[in-house]
Amino acid sequence: DTAVSQTPKYLVTQMGNDKSIKCEQNLGHDTMYWYKQDSKKFLKIMFSYNNKELIINETVPNRFSPKSPDKAHLNLHINSLELGDSAVYFCASSQRGRDTQYFGPGTRLTVL
Amino acid sequence: TQLLEQSPQFLSIQEGENLTVYCNSSSVFSSLQWYRQEPGEGPVLLVTVVTGGEVKKLKRLTFQFGDARKDSSLHITAAQPGDTGLYLCAGALRGRDDKIIFGKGTRLHILP
Repeated sequence: DTAVSQTPKYLVTQMGNDKSIKCEQNLGHDTMYWYKQDSKKFLKIMFSYNNKELIINETVPNRFSPKSPDKAHLNLHINSLELGDSAVYFCASSQRGRDTQYFGPGTRLTVL
Repeated sequence: TQLLEQSPQFLSIQEGENLTVYCNSSSVFSSLQWYRQEPGEGPVLLVTVVTGGEVKKLKRLTFQFGDARKDSSLHITAAQPGDTGLYLCAGALRGRDDKIIFGKGTRLHILP
């Protein structure tokens, strides 16, 4: 029944490693997003995909590469992890033209 | 740069008191959403306001959209400990790239 799901929930890794976070939505939405929420709880958009096509890329380092194999999935791969990448990453989905976003439970990434 | 200023950042009040949270911007939004986020979870939509001057009520919560669609307020009457959480406003911008901008959030703590 979960509308937007993310895996893993927690990710602890060493600096310099490469990791991926997966997101799936079963709401039939055509638009998916990745957000980063820092320690001060500021939620900032990173990427937006509509029908598997990248439509927003908000000044995110090239080490972050999203990939949307289909409308229901949006994965985030991060290369050469840095300490500053530690945050909670949220996936969200919506129907284009409608402003309500449905968020996943978040992935807490800790880079040591 | 589009900004959505949210205030106050932190608010700790006694159960039974009233409070108001504000969101202000120089941008005109096509709609504005209020979300609530619990620890360890993603934001969940409370309400969407679309029309300038619109007022919506959700039990003890009253949401208002400014006449010029640049600002919004959330008023809680007779706050209860269950209202504790992070409240986020988000403005929707329509253009070449549809975008949602989040405020930095208000951490509300209601003391029993």
